[in-house]
Amino acid sequence: KAGVTQTPRYLIKTRGQQVTLSCSPISGHRSVSWYQQTPGQGLQFLFEYFSETQRNKGNFPGRFSGRQFSNSRSEMNVSTLELGDSALYLCASSFEGGIYGYTFGSGTRLTVV
Amino acid sequence: GENVEQHPSTLSVQEGDSAVIKCTYSDSASNYFPWYKQELGKRPQLIIDIRSNVGEKKDQRIAVTLNKTAKHFSLHITETQPEDSAVYFCAASYSGDYKLSFGAGTTVTVRA
Repeated sequence: KAGVTQTPRYLIKTRGQQVTLSCSPISGHRSVSWYQQTPGQGLQFLFEYFSETQRNKGNFPGRFSGRQFSNSRSEMNVSTLELGDSALYLCASSFEGGIYGYTFGSGTRLTVV
Repeated sequence: GENVEQHPSTLSVQEGDSAVIKCTYSDSASNYFPWYKQELGKRPQLIIDIRSNVGEKKDQRIAVTLNKTAKHFSLHITETQPEDSAVYFCAASYSGDYKLSFGAGTTVTVRA
């Protein structure tokens, strides 16, 4: 079966702009989580969605937001980009959340200049 | 919330030797402990996991042990090979948390 699909793979944006990233989970998985990965901070949890509802949120500013659609596809948005937002953004698909394990997408590499 | 600490941050081993990575967690409610391997430029992939009702689990050259009393768990890789070179992440979760809390990662280098 198809894996977790993230688009786009690479993005270059300017400070102050906004960006939207997309994630399509494995068919049948209704939980989608988002993580920010940076060399110094590891994998930092952003938020988790299940059946279009946000069930958990990490400690990120309100500039980071997300949503999930009825087909389980999810998007995350970052507004007013800062240089420090440069990172690999990983989407993780799961049957019902962390305790069922994740399948990660290949990620979106965001560079803010 | 859950806090997972992972040690060491880097580990260099001779091919054929064993590697051990240790993690501690803070929340006694945590009952699921997976390990992920991330090769350079690739996505993290689940290699083994253990639940709190089990003390040890093995899969070929990889094993994980869990000590609930001490709140720590470890990954053991035996007979290391060059393809074991990667970053390894431990994680913890519990029902109702809906997320995995990850350790900071261990970069393992296997020397030929």
